[in-house]
Amino acid sequence: GAVVSQHPSRVICKSGTSVKIECRSLDFQATTMFWYRQFPKQSLMLMATSNEGSKATYEQGVEKDKFLINHASLTLSTLTVTSAHPEDSSFYICSASPPLPAGGQGDTQYFGPGTRLTVL
Amino acid sequence: AQKITQTQPGMFVQEKEAVTLDCTYDTSDQSYGLFWYKQPSSGEMIFLIYQGSYDEQNATEGRYSLNFQKARKSANLVISASQLGDSAMYFCAMRGPRGYQKVTFGTGTKLQVIP
Repeated sequence: GAVVSQHPSRVICKSGTSVKIECRSLDFQATTMFWYRQFPKQSLMLMATSNEGSKATYEQGVEKDKFLINHASLTLSTLTVTSAHPEDSSFYICSASPPLPAGGQGDTQYFGPGTRLTVL
Repeated sequence: AQKITQTQPGMFVQEKEAVTLDCTYDTSDQSYGLFWYKQPSSGEMIFLIYQGSYDEQNATEGRYSLNFQKARKSANLVISASQLGDSAMYFCAMRGPRGYQKVTFGTGTKLQVIP
């Protein structure tokens, strides 16, 4: 399947600092990428939809000034957690879909390996 | 709105046996897609299988098959010949009409394979 990478895989930071997480589609171009957050033993919650060349679409309850998303190219989206606090500690996962094949219906989302953020 | 329900928080299965993980969904869309993902303890989400709402046959991928019952709005995952490496969280997910990529996830089922 398609490959999506994330960097870093793990980050520990002090409260008040900002952290940037990168999501890259390695073997396909993705006009849309998605950012999810997962708390321990819970499901994935969609935070925002990242659109190349335009503003991200945030889900209800997600602070856009807190979680800055930049989709600078067709293969890269970044999530910046600004002024991080301990409650922002979580597992952040991005996903992307390859372009839809002609005549096909499948548009599987492929996920990055995730980034575990710990804010002290 | 889309809703995915996984009623089994945890399941046990004997190695080499088959196991069925339940998933029901609710949507008003006529066209939609259903997915199953595996999440081992490492955290990565691994795509297992996809079923389109207009697919007449149940999807299969190796030891994974999706028991799609459209009228009952269920999309159960069947894992045959369970292996120890199958122990993980399993998430059922769905998206809306083709091209609408936003995906909704269920709460997951933790599968443990017993030697």
